[in-house]
Amino acid sequence: GESVGLHLPTLSVQEGDNSIINCAYSNSASDYFIWYKQESGKGPQFIIDIRSNMDKRQGQRVTVLLNKTVKHLSLQIAATQPGDSAVYFCAENIAGSARQLTFGSGTQLTVLP
Amino acid sequence: ETGVTQTPRHLVMGMTNKKSLKCEQHLGHNAMYWYKQSAKKPLELMFVYNFKEQTENNSVPSRFSPECPNSSHLFLHLHTLQPEDSALYLCASRSGQGKETQYFGPGTRLLVL
Repeated sequence: GESVGLHLPTLSVQEGDNSIINCAYSNSASDYFIWYKQESGKGPQFIIDIRSNMDKRQGQRVTVLLNKTVKHLSLQIAATQPGDSAVYFCAENIAGSARQLTFGSGTQLTVLP
Repeated sequence: ETGVTQTPRHLVMGMTNKKSLKCEQHLGHNAMYWYKQSAKKPLELMFVYNFKEQTENNSVPSRFSPECPNSSHLFLHLHTLQPEDSALYLCASRSGQGKETQYFGPGTRLLVL
């Protein structure tokens, strides 16, 4: 079946650099997307979301970009900090799916000192 | 803190034991979910409750039995589990008023011996 996937399973960045985490989705009926952050030993934490009628949304130090043409979603983290080290995964809501989310498997972000 | 709590945080049980996981949400949400998270795999949806009614059973073995006595509480009763059931079990809740965002608890780390 269709599912959300990630390009890279791991990403290492230097502290202070910007991070970009990517997500590919295959269902053109997806109308809502969420990025979650999961630190070791904790549950997933909501970071930012975006609807399919938008192509960019900004939060505090994070930006989500949506390219519906190529079915690609990215999370940009500015000035990456040690506390950003975690697994990041995207989730999509497929219109008409009774508000169920489909989750990707995640990218491990490691911030190097 | 996301407003979703889970107990216990860690559980070790034998294959013949019976135990229960508890989830409580303090967000006034109407939908609650159980997910299983295994290493390097996407979240697997197990059960969904809307307004205390089970609306989704994602082909989960009968050794997992959910219970939702009210909109704030969700249980997962476990009996005669298998070692492959060892995983992180996550509870989530959603507003249910046209919003898709799910908020997760910290999870219960389950080990079946």
